[in-house]
Amino acid sequence: EAGVTQSPTHLIKTRGQQATLRCSPISGHTSVYWYQQALGLGLQFLLWYDEGEERNRGNFPPRFSGRQFPNYSSELNVNALELEDSALYLCASSLGRLSGNTIYFGEGSWLTVV
Amino acid sequence: GENVEQHPSTLSVQEGDSAVIKCTYSDSASNYFPWYKQELGKGPQLIIDIRSNVGEKKDQRIAVTLNKTAKHFSLHITETQPEDSAVYFCAASWGLSFGAGTTVTVRA
Repeated sequence: EAGVTQSPTHLIKTRGQQATLRCSPISGHTSVYWYQQALGLGLQFLLWYDEGEERNRGNFPPRFSGRQFPNYSSELNVNALELEDSALYLCASSLGRLSGNTIYFGEGSWLTVV
Repeated sequence: GENVEQHPSTLSVQEGDSAVIKCTYSDSASNYFPWYKQELGKGPQLIIDIRSNVGEKKDQRIAVTLNKTAKHFSLHITETQPEDSAVYFCAASWGLSFGAGTTVTVRA
């Protein structure tokens, strides 16, 4: 069974541009989570989608947005890129929004802003 | 919201010794506590988890203990091996809140 898949693996953008990252959850999972991990730092929660709706949002500016599609895949959009947005962006999925459902991570997308 | 604190931030152990990482949480309603291992350049992998109705759980060389009264839980790795070197993260409330991570280095 395929795990959480993310694309692209690496992305280089110029300051001010927009970046779009994509995620396919494990088959059967309806919840998708996005995290930002800056180099050497911890996992900062960005967004949580379940059944197509945004369920929770971390402490990030509105230029970080996303959506979840009917097939439960998701994309993260980062507008007006800043140098400090350079990080590993991790997507994770779980069976649903009941507390205690295990979250499984993908390998991440490296975003570099120059 | 939930606040998870993790200690220590770095841990160096001799191969064969034990490693212990501790986390505390703030929300007494939290009932699920997973631990993840992240190797360099990879996404975090679930290694063990515990639910609030259980005090201890073991899986080979890895064990997790939970003290709900004190609101803390710990990861224990026994007989450490070089492949245990990684960053370990704890979480509470199914992962919306992660600890800051512990970099474990196992010295051969």
